Amino acid sequence: TQLLEQSPQFLSIQEGENLTVYCNSSSVFSSLQWYRQEPGEGPVLLVTVVTGGEVKKLKRLTFQFGDARKDSSLHITAAQPGDTGLYLCAGTQNTGNQFYFGTGTSLTVIP
Amino acid sequence: KAGVTQTPRYLIKTRGQQVTLSCSPISGHRSVSWYQQTPGQGLQFLFEYFSETQRNKGNFPGRFSGRQFSNSRSEMNVSTLELGDSALYLCASSKTLSSYEQYFGPGTRLTVT
Repeated sequence: TQLLEQSPQFLSIQEGENLTVYCNSSSVFSSLQWYRQEPGEGPVLLVTVVTGGEVKKLKRLTFQFGDARKDSSLHITAAQPGDTGLYLCAGTQNTGNQFYFGTGTSLTVIP
Repeated sequence: KAGVTQTPRYLIKTRGQQVTLSCSPISGHRSVSWYQQTPGQGLQFLFEYFSETQRNKGNFPGRFSGRQFSNSRSEMNVSTLELGDSALYLCASSKTLSSYEQYFGPGTRLTVT
């Protein structure tokens, strides 16, 4: 059983469209991270959020941590082919430093 | 600053053999974690080392083991390989044990035949 569930699992959109990826759990997390992974490579850290309700923006990417620190979302505006990849959320809990990874969302942006 | 490096990048082994993978963290990072990534199970935590001591351990059998050296470099070993051990093995480093941010290496692709 995965502690963090992501939706959708797969997403294929046209260049220029907007999209939102969700990361949900029934557990509380002390921090939550988002990564992007390209084929054959390791995940690359995009952002870390630690405060409930926190919103962070990174160019066309907007990340939000839920008020109860149980969920998070990643919104991409005007998607580009370079955004293609596997998006992973990961969280840590107060009980330890172990990172729990979400199930992943595979995004394809079609030119 | 150099990133996390992992060697080898690709490895093919036969069932029953053992394998050792190596990870060099970012300079100044003292915590190293290992993960297994498969299409079916996703990214799963194996263990974490800090100051040459295993601090956290995931739910994997004892065939999976690791160690960390005084220069923070880490190795993981898998003994008596099984077909199901075929995966991408990722190493991640962070500055301290309680750091919220970790940085991944490119991984070692292990194929067991």
